Amino acid sequence: EADIYQTPRYLVIGTGKKITLECSQTMGHDKMYWYQQDPGMELHLIHYSYGVNSTEKGDLSSESTVSRIRTEHFPLTLESARPSHTSQYLCASSGGTLYNSPLHFGNGTRLTVT
Amino acid sequence: SQQGEEDPQALSIQEGENATMNCSYKTSINNLQWYRQNSGRGLVHLILIRSNEREKHSGRLRVTLDTSKKSSSLLITASRAADTASYFCASGPTSGSRLTFGEGTQLTVNP
Repeated sequence: EADIYQTPRYLVIGTGKKITLECSQTMGHDKMYWYQQDPGMELHLIHYSYGVNSTEKGDLSSESTVSRIRTEHFPLTLESARPSHTSQYLCASSGGTLYNSPLHFGNGTRLTVT
Repeated sequence: SQQGEEDPQALSIQEGENATMNCSYKTSINNLQWYRQNSGRGLVHLILIRSNEREKHSGRLRVTLDTSKKSSSLLITASRAADTASYFCASGPTSGSRLTFGEGTQLTVNP
């Protein structure tokens, strides 16, 4: 298994709360990604980063924000959670040329907003 | 339809049988990757095949790529119950853009 860690694994939270999903990797990878995945469905890229202080929005519109202050850390924040945010969030990293190297995934955070 | 469609959506076989999953994509690619996802976990990279390769092997896995048909297949030989998982293909573009994942094939290997 890759050395990329996500916390928490499960989160149940009420509407309107602010939440931060944590993602850290110990591989020194410069590229990191956040994907959203509904059960049994494909992955959608919501944010990615080429390195420190570099962040970009992905293909799927998301109300979340990310930051990349340290190479190893790529947290995702939802300022005001809504039931539509209920999903699994997967963090990944890679060390090679953009999209030409394998991605290493964490085990995900399953978020439920009530 | 989605870039990186997989076929079939679900496959159920007996232990020891071979499992074949297919993937189609729409745009030009630099590489095609296959991943496995166990229930409730993240994805694990299995194999990457470059656009100038036609076939690649890794243990019990065999991947083929046909760029003229924009398709790839993943063959798992002598399947085991532990192979039960969802399998995703992901197309790596020739320039710029994003790695695009398919919808996945749910493989069940019955003991």
